[in-house]
Amino acid sequence: QKEVEQDPGPLSVPEGAIVSLNCTYSNSAFQYFMWYRQYSRKGPELLMYTYSSGNKEDGRFTAQVDKSSKYISLFIRDSQPSDSATYLCATFGGYQKVTFGTGTKLQVIP
Amino acid sequence: GAGVSQSPSNKVTEKGKDVELRCDPISGHTALYWYRQSLGQGLEFLIYFQGNSAPDKSGLPSDRFSAERTGGSVSTLTIQRTQQEDSAVYLCASSLPLDRTSYEQYFGPGTRLTVT
Repeated sequence: QKEVEQDPGPLSVPEGAIVSLNCTYSNSAFQYFMWYRQYSRKGPELLMYTYSSGNKEDGRFTAQVDKSSKYISLFIRDSQPSDSATYLCATFGGYQKVTFGTGTKLQVIP
Repeated sequence: GAGVSQSPSNKVTEKGKDVELRCDPISGHTALYWYRQSLGQGLEFLIYFQGNSAPDKSGLPSDRFSAERTGGSVSTLTIQRTQQEDSAVYLCASSLPLDRTSYEQYFGPGTRLTVT
């Protein structure tokens, strides 16, 4: 079993839709949860991070962590064509390497 | 400031040849990571360095793959006797020393390797 599982997609939505991206993880020691965004032919960039359980909002993006179910979510409101990218979840337990999901490819259609 | 740089950006090689991929991390970043990303596949962890030592080599796919890091800075990933299945984008990332604040990795643009 992989430590972090993520549906690879692709996920295709119309512009303006609410997008929900999800991951599950297996190691309860993970405390930091991140979302990276990767545009085509570029390296991933950190989009958001949360510590422990709860929600974090940044503009149109909301990251949510439920440690009881080991579930990580990223919501994108009012999705834009510029949001089209691959989104990777990642977890970190401190003093360990970061573990990435395989990424979900998102396409927002104008 | 300067980000993570990788060279070459593209590499085409014949099957059976050896290749070297280079990564220059951000200055002061003691943790360095190599990943492989194949078309339609996710981000595959290969190896990470803390300083010049590699505590976790578990992701290297075979003994044809090796990596080293010198002076706590530049790292080289070497693939010997390349095979077509080695074709992928090889990404390098660096971060601050591994502690509770080093969750953010900074990625380079990658080296696109094509084995013909």
